[in-house]
Amino acid sequence: QVTLKESGPGILQPSQTLSLTCSFSGFSLSTSGICVSWIRQPSGKGLEWLATICWEDSKGYNPSLKNRLTISKDTSNNQAFLKITSVDTADTAIYYCARFLYYSSYDFDYWGQGVMVTVSS
Amino acid sequence: DVVMTQTPPSLSVAIGQSVSISCKSSQSLVYSDGKTYLHWLLQSPGRSPKRLIYQVSNLGSGVPDRFSGTGSQKDFTLKISRVEAEDLGVYYCAQTTHFPHTFGAGTKLELK
Repeated sequence: QVTLKESGPGILQPSQTLSLTCSFSGFSLSTSGICVSWIRQPSGKGLEWLATICWEDSKGYNPSLKNRLTISKDTSNNQAFLKITSVDTADTAIYYCARFLYYSSYDFDYWGQGVMVTVSS
Repeated sequence: DVVMTQTPPSLSVAIGQSVSISCKSSQSLVYSDGKTYLHWLLQSPGRSPKRLIYQVSNLGSGVPDRFSGTGSQKDFTLKISRVEAEDLGVYYCAQTTHFPHTFGAGTKLELK
C-alpha cells in the first residue's frame, strides 16, 4: 500500500526558508523508475508543480521558482525534502508530495494528504 | 509554459446524468516517443487530488469505468457517464509532456 505524508513548519515569516518533508511507504526511491514530486495549491486555487527528484538523483525544477528551490532525498529513511528560500506571502499554500512514475505512466499516481504552510509577519 | 484551458469552469449535474469536461493545451502533448502525457485528476471536497486517468484514456487503479478519456494532440475530453454523488469535486487535467508540468484551472462538478 502506497502512502505519502507531508510535514512542515505550519507558519513562517517572510524571507525565511521553508523546509518540507515527505515521508512515504509502500515504495522505494531507490527503485528504477520511481520519483517523488512536490506540487502546491494556494487556498481556493489550482495546482502548481514545483519539483521532482528521481531514483538516480536526477532533479527537475519549475523555472518560475528554480533559484529558490532545492529538492533532495534520503533513500534509507524513505523521505524526500523540499526547501524554498526567501518565502513571501505568495508562498502560502497547501503543499503536496506525490509519487511520479517515470517509466510507465509518467504521471502522479499517489498523492499525500497535503500540509498547510502560511507565510505571515 | 504549456497553458491548459479547461471548460466549463463549473458544472451543475443531477445524479445519473452524463457530463463532459474539455481540456485544451496551448501546444501538442505528443512526446517524441509518440505517447501523449495528458492525465485527469479529481479533488473531492477537503481531500487531496486523486489520479483518475493517465495518458489520455487509461483508467487508474480502482477507478470505475463510468469515467472515460479521449482526445489527441491539443484537445482532450473527460466523460463521466451516470454521475454518482462520490464524483463531485474539482476535476483537473495535467500535462507531463513538457517542462514545467502544468495543470488546468479545474472544473467544479456540483449537484443540481
